[in-house]
Amino acid sequence: QVQLVQSGAEVKKPGASVKVSCKVSGYTLTELSMHWVRQAPGKGLEWMGGFDPEDGETIYAQKFQGRVTMTEDTSTDTAYMELSSLRSEDTAVYYCATDLAVAGTDAFDIWGQGTMVTVSS
Amino acid sequence: SSELTQDPAVSVALGQTVRITCQGDSLRSYYASWYQQKPGQAPVLVIYGKNNRPSGIPDRFSGSSSGNTASLTITGAQAEDEADYYCNSRDSSGNHLRVFGGGTKLTVL
Repeated sequence: QVQLVQSGAEVKKPGASVKVSCKVSGYTLTELSMHWVRQAPGKGLEWMGGFDPEDGETIYAQKFQGRVTMTEDTSTDTAYMELSSLRSEDTAVYYCATDLAVAGTDAFDIWGQGTMVTVSS
Repeated sequence: SSELTQDPAVSVALGQTVRITCQGDSLRSYYASWYQQKPGQAPVLVIYGKNNRPSGIPDRFSGSSSGNTASLTITGAQAEDEADYYCNSRDSSGNHLRVFGGGTKLTVL
């Protein structure tokens, strides 16, 4: 059974960076396209970026360009999302999500459990 | 603001049929996928592609698309279907970027 297991909750000060991890179990990261989605308290889902297999590169939502970096460690099947210059508006639950059985359809059928990131002085 | 527009809230009587819509220019070229999210839980994919359901999703969930509008239909809504529903697709930039709709809160009466 494929699972995405994310790192624990984080509390950061404004201006700091946060790095959230997402470990793939039961499958190989290189065979998946990993994406990151966030959800502020009481708000909707927001796509941040992910791997685009058509172009073979990671793409980012314009809103986060220059502030977010998504990387992968294939030796440990772990994906990472680092967000810098944090502000209070970045307080949210961050999810990793991928397309295991629905590859090529732009959908995400496997989600991590979410990581709460709180930005507060 | 989102490039995919959803009604903020929709209600349906128990056992009746409800349609949740998602509008956007990119839907003329790309299919939407639909996600169900209950409080405190991660989203769950319920419909993807033209009208496909992942394993384990009841067949009362179906999807369709016409022009710039994608729809999620629940035929015979159950109490457990009360949740937030989000559509997702590519944006209209042509750069393979993705976007979510603002979400629809479904209440089953």
